[in-house]
Amino acid sequence: DVVLTQSPLSLPVTLGQPASISCRSSQSLAHSDGFTYLNWFHQRPGQSPRRLIYKVSNRDSGVPDRFSGSGSGSYFTLKINRVEAEDVGVYYCMQGTHWLPYTFGQGTKLEIK
Amino acid sequence: EVQLVESGGGLVQPGESLRLSCVGYGFTCSSYWMTWVRQAPGKGLEWVANIREDGSEKFYGDSVKGRFTISRDNAKNSVHLQMDSLRAEDTAVYYCAREPFDLWGRGTLVAVSS
Repeated sequence: DVVLTQSPLSLPVTLGQPASISCRSSQSLAHSDGFTYLNWFHQRPGQSPRRLIYKVSNRDSGVPDRFSGSGSGSYFTLKINRVEAEDVGVYYCMQGTHWLPYTFGQGTKLEIK
Repeated sequence: EVQLVESGGGLVQPGESLRLSCVGYGFTCSSYWMTWVRQAPGKGLEWVANIREDGSEKFYGDSVKGRFTISRDNAKNSVHLQMDSLRAEDTAVYYCAREPFDLWGRGTLVAVSS
């Protein structure tokens, strides 16, 4: 199974400051079809996950442009330009290139300082 | 409104069974692979099982293989998860999601305890 390792696991951030989360894969997530199936999700306390980014860098509808995804191969990053209060929660990366099974990172908990 | 609604969770004893259901609203489930993901209390996300659009292919995570069965009823726009031989470690919120994971339900809690 593909192992996704996120860092940091805890991320205290001051409002208005940038934040960055990395996701490292145990093997390349580049698929033979030319796409890289790496998603990012945000889960607020008590809510279900919401997809923010798909195929590395594509923002989902309604996701603010302060969120951006980048990376290739085995290294990926989620960046938030200026953190807002509504951004608190846990962020997960997930790979779909080498499913079965789909695998998720451990999660990164973002909190406001 | 496009949404997924899960039901069927509850408290059961080890070894017992439970059947979860997920109904789609505002879209046609038969056009999508559908999947179940679970989250143990205070833990991360774990993919459980998925099923092809027409139900012809089903796949399972190692931790549930042989005990859980995924099915679908496209006429009722629904997906189900039959969970047998439940264990304490199956305790989790179970989410139904539409692949490619762009739509999730609110989840239903399954607790396995004696």
